[in-house]
Amino acid sequence: QVQLQESGPGLVKPSQTLSLTCAVSGDSIISSGYYWSWIRQRPGKGLELIGYIYYSGSTYYTSSLKSRVTISVDTSNNQFSLKLNSVTAADTAFYYCAREVHGDYYFDCWGQGTLVIVSS
Amino acid sequence: QSVLTQPPSVSGAPGQRVTISCTGSSSNIGAGYDVHWYQQLPGTAPKLLIYGNSNRPSGVPDRFSGSKSGTSASLAITGLQAVDEADYYCQSYDSSLSGSWVFGGGTKLTVL
Repeated sequence: QVQLQESGPGLVKPSQTLSLTCAVSGDSIISSGYYWSWIRQRPGKGLELIGYIYYSGSTYYTSSLKSRVTISVDTSNNQFSLKLNSVTAADTAFYYCAREVHGDYYFDCWGQGTLVIVSS
Repeated sequence: QSVLTQPPSVSGAPGQRVTISCTGSSSNIGAGYDVHWYQQLPGTAPKLLIYGNSNRPSGVPDRFSGSKSGTSASLAITGLQAVDEADYYCQSYDSSLSGSWVFGGGTKLTVL
């Protein structure tokens, strides 16, 4: 059974870069038909797609974050990563990694999530 | 403001049936894209509940069902139980936003 696990600092200073990694177990990240995604949820708010990556390296970023986001994949370690630069308090949120069944457009597996607080 | 519109809250007594609506437009649900539903129990990550409008992943009780018509979709929960108290989100694909997945704003289900 596939499992996803986020890791990274829980506290980031304003204007710095938020960096998170999602380790995938129980499945190969190079499995065809799956896109590997980052989704966030501000406290008390709804879900917001950040972007996704295919194992080949092709990416999609949501327009509102596109200028600040980079998602990369590390196939040798079966993991993918998120970098969000120039963070502000508005980026404080729970960050989830998830597997998307491409073509069917739904997220069938989610990590447990990690809270990142942006504060000095 | 979410692309997909859900009621902020619904409630029901144990054993009752409740429905949660998800209203979209001609660029998402009305364009034929499937609707998916997620359940988020307090303090946990979202979990896939319904995919492809009406399909349940293995392990999801048949008390949960989904449907879609026109530009809207619905999630129905029958035989309501206390453990069903959670936030529920609908999700689809929208062709007007450079091709993007979109979520509803979420509905808080309270079991009275």
